[in-house]
Amino acid sequence: SQTIHQWPATLVQPVGSPLSLECTVEGTSNPNLYWYRQAAGRGLQLLFYSVGIGQISSEVPQNLSASRPQDRQFILSSKKLLLSDSGFYLCAWDSGTGNEKLFFGSGTQLSVL
Amino acid sequence: GQSLEQPSEVTAVEGAIVQINCTYQTSGFYGLSWYQQHDGGAPTFLSYNALDGLEETGRFSSFLSRSDSYGYLLLQELQMKDSASYFCAVSSLMNRDDKIIFGKGTRLHILP
Repeated sequence: SQTIHQWPATLVQPVGSPLSLECTVEGTSNPNLYWYRQAAGRGLQLLFYSVGIGQISSEVPQNLSASRPQDRQFILSSKKLLLSDSGFYLCAWDSGTGNEKLFFGSGTQLSVL
Repeated sequence: GQSLEQPSEVTAVEGAIVQINCTYQTSGFYGLSWYQQHDGGAPTFLSYNALDGLEETGRFSSFLSRSDSYGYLLLQELQMKDSASYFCAVSSLMNRDDKIIFGKGTRLHILP
């Protein structure tokens, strides 16, 4: 069966520090991968999505970046965090075969202080 | 651009039926899905409609009208555990990339 792992669950970082969030998927090949951000009590904002290794599409210009070094690994990074980067970050995948069922990781609550 | 509209909050009574509406605007549309999210948790998939009509999964049903750019989620026999946020999401294919965009969510409050 397929599983998605996302870590860490909670992170507190000072302004200006770097960020690296990792997400891995098991049990499937060539998934579509997504990074979403959710502010408290708000909707999910699509940040990045990837349809294959090294293929990244950015939805929102910001100081975040994403990389997909392996088929089932998706990394969200920042060189210098801003206060506005605080939020709940969710990694997700779908099979890309048209059934459009997204599977989410458990999320990372990021607080930038 | 793309946009989705859904009510921010809905209140219903335990055991009743509630409908959460969603209207969308997007190019390259090919499906509408619904997700449930409890406080502090990750969204979980409820249903997906690619064609017009009603899809039923237990107490939950979802409807789509492509011509009206409209869909809804119907929850029957409401239980207290159904208190959560519900998101509609559109799947679209643009420039050979498919992506899934979420609405802002509807907070469902259930009264005993």
